[in-house]
Amino acid sequence: DGGITQSPKYLFRKEGQNVTLSCEQNLNHDAMYWYRQDPGQGLRLIYYSQIVNDFQKGDIAEGYSVSREKKESFPLTVTSAQKNPTAFYLCASNLGQSNQPQHFGDGTRLSIL
Amino acid sequence: AQSVTQPDIHITVSEGASLELRCNYSYGATPYLFWYVQSPGQGLQLLLKYFSGDTLVQGIKGFEAEFKRSQSSFNLRKPSVHWSDAAEYFCAVGARTGANNLFFGTGTRLTVIP
Repeated sequence: DGGITQSPKYLFRKEGQNVTLSCEQNLNHDAMYWYRQDPGQGLRLIYYSQIVNDFQKGDIAEGYSVSREKKESFPLTVTSAQKNPTAFYLCASNLGQSNQPQHFGDGTRLSIL
Repeated sequence: AQSVTQPDIHITVSEGASLELRCNYSYGATPYLFWYVQSPGQGLQLLLKYFSGDTLVQGIKGFEAEFKRSQSSFNLRKPSVHWSDAAEYFCAVGARTGANNLFFGTGTRLTVIP
């Protein structure tokens, strides 16, 4: 079955450490997205990518970085510059047009040790 | 800029009762409209979408939504709620031109009483 796989499901970060969240899709989608979800705030866009080797900042990109070297993969790095990284992170993808629904992975929960 | 308002943070209904979740949007034209559902610790699942045409759209799990241009609303309804419908529901809008992003509301958490 096609879908989006996020790993790990739970992740812990020490102070000053960078961590990378994995997102892989086998839906042959062109566009991929990273969202951050905090209680009571809905989903906020961190980064998105419409094609390989290109990506754009979303509303809350500070303290995060991404790469898009392959169509199937869109890893998110939470850097030490992100002072409040504890959240639920969701990856999504679609065919790259705004009338196409986004398909979501099951998320990664990041916590600080 | 687009924005989405879900005025109800938390709704509690009895099993078998009807349900309506409110969604209002702000956009210069008619946007693309979506409703998603999220179970605890899971990703989001698409319930239904509106692009154009018939303003009453049917979705999965017995849900429907009605687009009302005059009220800038896209409320989600279900005639009879099941215990398994307990989850968080998100309304989202997408622009017809420009960036291919979705703007999400803050969500409504649904509790179902047996």
